[in-house]
Order: sequence, then structure tokens, then C-alpha cells
Amino acid sequence: EPEVTQTPSHQVTQMGQEVILRCVPISNHLYFYWYRQILGQKVEFLVSFYNNEISEKSEIFDDQFSVERPDGSNFTLKIRSTKLEDSAMYFCASTRQGDNYGYTFGSGTRLTVV
Amino acid sequence: QKEVEQNSGPLSVPEGAIASLNCTYSDRGSQSFFWYRQYSGKSPELIMFIYSNGDKEDGRFTAQLNKASQYVSLLIRDSQPSDSATYLCAVSGGSYIPTFGRGTSLIVHP
Repeated sequence: EPEVTQTPSHQVTQMGQEVILRCVPISNHLYFYWYRQILGQKVEFLVSFYNNEISEKSEIFDDQFSVERPDGSNFTLKIRSTKLEDSAMYFCASTRQGDNYGYTFGSGTRLTVV
Repeated sequence: QKEVEQNSGPLSVPEGAIASLNCTYSDRGSQSFFWYRQYSGKSPELIMFIYSNGDKEDGRFTAQLNKASQYVSLLIRDSQPSDSATYLCAVSGGSYIPTFGRGTSLIVHP
């Protein structure tokens, strides 16, 4: 069964450093998403991406965040200057269309900011 | 602000029993409703989605939707210890971006 893959599985970074989280969506999928989940909290939407541009973003997705599809397979989330409160699990998801049959999430990246 | 509310639990049921998980939502315009299962430290895994009022069955799982009451539930029949997890309710409207609840922790004890 097709999978969404994410790397790294765990990243530890110092406050103020830049991090890039990587995702390989399911091939032939056109819509890509980033979510995060702070420990013990809800899964929260960050951003959706289609046709090489952001289609929707939440209030969380401020100027510190950016997304990119640098090639035909990868989808990245960059956090420019990490804060302690950015510590969370970050999940990538993709869908073939902007449909509504539910997401297949990647296995996640646990980001720890120290 | 769209809200999705779930009792955090834990809900504890014996093996073989029916587990009933409930979710309410605030946005009357919501159109699509999802249940995800999340094991500790893992990503959410889609169990079911439902769009229309009534019941939808898939194996041991039944989703129930009542739009008038803004209520969606998940029944798990013949609960197994492997069903022990957190169950997330998610609701979306026209934008297709779901809002997630905090989840209900289910413990199935042998």
C-alpha cells in the first residue's frame, strides 16, 4: 500500500536554529498538508499546498514557517528560527485530489527544541 | 471558531464488549466526519468517514451521524486489547480541511 514517508523520525535542535522537515508524499497525489501535534494536544492544521503554492494556512503558520516542493517527490516544511513551543510531532499528509475521503498521514517527525 | 469536542476518557471496556465513542461539533455547515485511531507516539490512522445521517458499518466499526444534534459516534464491537488507542474525531466543511478533537483514550482490558 502506498505510503507517505517522513524524515527524520526525530530531530533535536537548539532554539533559534533552522530546521527542515522532509516528506515524500504518495506518488500521483497533488495536494499536500502539514499538521502538528504538541504532546497531549490536538492535531492542528498548519498548511495545505497545491500546484506549487499554498492553498490554505492556519494562524499557526506564521512567517517563521515555509513550505516548498523542491523537486518532483519531496515536500518540505522549514522553520526558520525555532522556539521551544515548536516542539511537537509534525505530520505530513497527501491526497490525490482536494477530496474529502480522509488523510493518509506519514509516520511523523518528532521535533524537540532545547 | 470551529470546535470538535470529545471526552478525553479513558474509556475502559472489557474484551469482547462494545465500545462507544462520542463527538460533538459546533459548525452546522460541517459536511464530512472522520474517525482516526492513534496509538501512542504514532500517526493518526483513518478508520472511517461518514457524510450522511445514519449509520455506516465497516467490519467491527460503525459510525453514526446525527447532523441535527451535531453529534457523531463510533461503535467498536467485540473490542480487542489491540483496539486500545486514542480515537480522534475530525470534522470538515467546504474547505476540506478537518478540525480534530483532542481524542478519547480507549482501554480494552482482557
